Amino acid sequence: LAKTTQPISMDSYEGQEVNITCSHNNIATNDYITWYQQFPSQGPRFIIQGYKTKVTNEVASLFIPADRKSSTLSLPRVSLSDTAVYYCLVGGGAGGGNKLTFGTGTQLKVEL
Amino acid sequence: DSGVTQTPKHLITATGQRVTLRCSPRSGDLSVYWYQQSLDQGLQFLIQYYNGEERAKGNILERFSAQQFPDLHSELNLSSLELGDSALYFCASSVDWTAPSTDTQYFGPGTRLTVL
Repeated sequence: LAKTTQPISMDSYEGQEVNITCSHNNIATNDYITWYQQFPSQGPRFIIQGYKTKVTNEVASLFIPADRKSSTLSLPRVSLSDTAVYYCLVGGGAGGGNKLTFGTGTQLKVEL
Repeated sequence: DSGVTQTPKHLITATGQRVTLRCSPRSGDLSVYWYQQSLDQGLQFLIQYYNGEERAKGNILERFSAQQFPDLHSELNLSSLELGDSALYFCASSVDWTAPSTDTQYFGPGTRLTVL
């Protein structure tokens, strides 16, 4: 199984850009990388997914280097409502690793 | 609201007992996943079903079992419960598992299990 690690916590201020990294040294060739946001007592909510290089949607960007052993979730101009735990998920994808491994989670705290 | 429903929301039981957690996927989704979330273990993948068949197995104990029924709802059965089984159990669903656009998982609100 891919072992995935993340920083335990990060602090930021409103309006700043936040970058959260995930290390997944044992990622399999066909594994995808997905990021989720979780608020207390709620299920994880999908943010973004990618395989390599850069992916951008309306709420975040995902950067994946060529060796794919890490990934970085970028949240532009965070607000107080972005305070949550962020998880990376490695696995899935067509023909890819069917062993899904969540990262350890990063608690993001956004202050005024 | 993700469209995935889970019942019950809370469950309190005693050690040695057996419980069943239920999940209804989003309309049109064929794949169902079960996860356990605890403070010490984080989010752990348990098992995945696709259109009634088991597709992938993660860190699921032998005391735990699951199935997906013809109407695509799924049940997770936990037996011989121990104190350490107390956790949040999440169900997620996706269209299928074959492509990034269709294997995105949508999570339900979870069932909080407390074993006393």
